[in-house]
Amino acid sequence: DAKTTQPPSMDCAEGRAANLPCNHSTISGNEYVYWYRQIHSQGPQYIIHGLKNNETNEMASLIITEDRKSSTLILPHATLRDTAVYYCIVRVNIGGTSYGKLTFGQGTILTVHP
Amino acid sequence: NAGVMQNPRHLVRRRGQEARLRCSPMKGHSHVYWYRQLPEEGLKFMVYLQKENIIDESGMPKERFSAEFPKEGPSILRIQQVVRGDSAAYFCASSRSGSSYNEQFFGPGTRLTVL
Repeated sequence: DAKTTQPPSMDCAEGRAANLPCNHSTISGNEYVYWYRQIHSQGPQYIIHGLKNNETNEMASLIITEDRKSSTLILPHATLRDTAVYYCIVRVNIGGTSYGKLTFGQGTILTVHP
Repeated sequence: NAGVMQNPRHLVRRRGQEARLRCSPMKGHSHVYWYRQLPEEGLKFMVYLQKENIIDESGMPKERFSAEFPKEGPSILRIQQVVRGDSAAYFCASSRSGSSYNEQFFGPGTRLTVL
């Protein structure tokens, strides 16, 4: 799986948008970008994933650059409960061959403050 | 729809004892993954199982650790002769299919403390 690079920590004011960047310059054509988060001591929580198009769900938006070398996770209105470690992960999707493991890096510690 | 269940949530063992961690996947999920998170470290993949089969055990320590996912019942991660370095949070995840575009859903974890 491609290596990802994320800033170790970020701050965000409550109610503002949180924009978390991720670099994955060695991503290959069959790799998806996934975002998970881990709120203190809990199991990781899936947020969103995408291949090359921008994606949005009830939790967040994912913006992937045209060259796919980087992406940004956007939490549009951050709350205190969004304080967590956010992981950007790239995973291979080989048609017909399942390979499910997630390779977690160090992630970004997002702190949302009042 | 109940999520991934893990038990026990907390487990204390003395050095040399055995630890058994159980994971019940979400309904309809036939793929299970185990991850370990050592104190102050990131999550590390251990093993990936489908019903009755080990698909990928590249992250499993070569000795004392084993995993199974029988046809009936939960997945079990077994650690024999535990040592203090085994103290960690062990997370189980499940997915509907092993293909990577299906997200993994994680359980709350089992915190193992070895005295």
